[in-house]
Amino acid sequence: SAVISQKPSRDICQRGTSLTIQCQVDSQVTMMFWYRQQPGQSLTLIATANQGSEATYESGFVIDKFPISRPNLTFSTLTVSNMSPEDSSIYLCSAHETGNSYEQYFGPGTRLTVT
Amino acid sequence: SQQGEEDPQALSIQEGENATMNCSYKTSINNLQWYRQNSGRGLVHLILIRSNEREKHSGRLRVTLDTSKKSSSLLITASRAADTASYFCATGWGDKIIFGKGTRLHILP
Repeated sequence: SAVISQKPSRDICQRGTSLTIQCQVDSQVTMMFWYRQQPGQSLTLIATANQGSEATYESGFVIDKFPISRPNLTFSTLTVSNMSPEDSSIYLCSAHETGNSYEQYFGPGTRLTVT
Repeated sequence: SQQGEEDPQALSIQEGENATMNCSYKTSINNLQWYRQNSGRGLVHLILIRSNEREKHSGRLRVTLDTSKKSSSLLITASRAADTASYFCATGWGDKIIFGKGTRLHILP
């Protein structure tokens, strides 16, 4: 299974600022995704990070608020822009391995607190 | 919107007993995955079952899938204190998976 790391593991940020979260996979993967998990809640898919093209966003999420990059098959970034306290969540990166398996693996998450 | 809906939302059982969690979903899927999340930590992938499969086993885990009823169940046998966690089903179509709300499982000593 793919091993996924994220940086930072946690951060405390002031409202109005932006934070970029990095996601690194230890092997080339076809698909990468970004999820948000608000306190006490389940995971909500933010977007699919497409290699070499613009990310595909789910309903309720927009590029201006959550710009995503994916420059190659092992790395992606998510930026949370112009943060407000409502953005306080755990942000998780996941990857879907190349091939027929649909198994999707997750990074450890980035715990973001906005004050 | 979320696809899967777990039942029950919370479950407390004695150590050694079996725990069963159910997941219902609304539309067609090509796979269903179960995950475990310990408090404040990352997601652990437990098992994937494809839409053309009816049952899979992995250690103390047994997963069933009934596509006619659009439901799945996760059975954990001989529960241990370390099984205390939240369990999520995630339904997949294409390359995306969508999570249910989860079941919080608490194993009592």
